Amino acid sequence: EAGVAQSPRYKIIEKRQSVAFWCNPISGHATLYWYQQILGQGPKLLIQFQNNGVVDDSQLPKDRFSAERLKGVDSTLKIQPAKLEDSAVYLCASSSHLGLAGGRPQETQYFGPGTRLLVL
Amino acid sequence: GQNIDQPTEMTATEGAIVQINCTYQTSGFNGLFWYQQHAGEAPTFLSYNVLDGLEEKGRFSSFLSRSKGYSYLLLKELQMKDSASYLCAVPKAGSYQLTFGKGTKLSVIP
Repeated sequence: EAGVAQSPRYKIIEKRQSVAFWCNPISGHATLYWYQQILGQGPKLLIQFQNNGVVDDSQLPKDRFSAERLKGVDSTLKIQPAKLEDSAVYLCASSSHLGLAGGRPQETQYFGPGTRLLVL
Repeated sequence: GQNIDQPTEMTATEGAIVQINCTYQTSGFNGLFWYQQHAGEAPTFLSYNVLDGLEEKGRFSSFLSRSKGYSYLLLKELQMKDSASYLCAVPKAGSYQLTFGKGTKLSVIP
């Protein structure tokens, strides 16, 4: 089974420029997550999709970040304009569960290799 | 809210045993995950505990005490390839969203 694919793997841009990241989840996984991981920290959730709908984007800085998953499969995350503090690894993860936890055992999230962004 | 605490760094010798602790505060506990992350790579799933006790999986074991808000990951017969960051994570109440700790960077030395 193919894993979560992300591109590009590395990106260097200057502040105030725009950048976009792409994610292709594991086939059949309805739920897709974007995380930001700053060096030395754990991943921080930015946005969660279920199929093509947004479940939670409360931690997404919407003044500069946007994300979409139009057909419920691939997703793109965009930053416009970028700031120095956006330098981080952007991880995409997918999982196969639907709905809320409701006390049931969790499904596992599978992560892609990430995109390492450096803003100069 | 949720709060997860784990040591920043640990060093252990090849062949030895190491225990990585994690304490958490969360409402509506629904399990605890451990992930391994090698430098420059994606996190990979190691274990999930929802009931108290120890779960063993080869050289790796994970323990949970819900009453104490405490978990640990036990790595036996350490190998050089075990040098990585180990992330503790708990789901948000009523959700599958994970909140991660900052990770423990383990260095295995000869």
